[in-house]
Amino acid sequence: EVQLVESGGGLVQPGASLKLSCVASGFTFSDYWMSWVRQTPGKTMEWIGDIKYDGSYTNYAPSLKNRFTISRDNAKSTLYLQMSNVRSEDTATYYCTRARVMDAWGQGASVTVSS
Amino acid sequence: DIRMTQSPASLSASLGETVNIECLASEDIYSDLAWYQQKPGKSPQLLIYNANSLQNGVPSRFSGSGSGTQYSLKINSLQSEDVATYFCQQYNNYPLTFGSGTKLEIK
Repeated sequence: EVQLVESGGGLVQPGASLKLSCVASGFTFSDYWMSWVRQTPGKTMEWIGDIKYDGSYTNYAPSLKNRFTISRDNAKSTLYLQMSNVRSEDTATYYCTRARVMDAWGQGASVTVSS
Repeated sequence: DIRMTQSPASLSASLGETVNIECLASEDIYSDLAWYQQKPGKSPQLLIYNANSLQNGVPSRFSGSGSGTQYSLKINSLQSEDVATYFCQQYNNYPLTFGSGTKLEIK
């Protein structure tokens, strides 16, 4: 069974950094592009970016590329999202997903940015 | 960026009815369109990809159609378990973009 499990969410102060992780199982992680998507409290879906199966290439939403970094460790079947200088508008549930046609989603990690 | 305009924002229908949800892309996306279902409190799940291909395990009462800039999701014989929010998403061009969602309720 394909599983994606995010962790690392929580309450964070404005301007701080946070790193989310997503552990994959049930498939060959190193065969797939992976994405991060977030859903705001108002339910808007926003694609953050994705990373090539070997980690050699990334794409980002233009509005986020200066603050967010996606990486992966194929040996650990783990996807990462490094968030820096977070703002209140980054408050959302963060999902890792498999591929550009997102045929698998994690359960989501809740991030709240507040002082 | 490709803008995805989804309508209606909300929809109320009776059990057994047929409903349609529309998605309009701001430019041709060459059928690179997916539909997702998000039940209350759950993560989204893929229903349709390539505009009209049914994902494994999805009931056949769901179908997708369209081309160019206009796409639709059809749900035949509405069931109570179809209560959810539905999103379209284009993957033809970066950045990937989503519609704003359609919340489906039972009348």
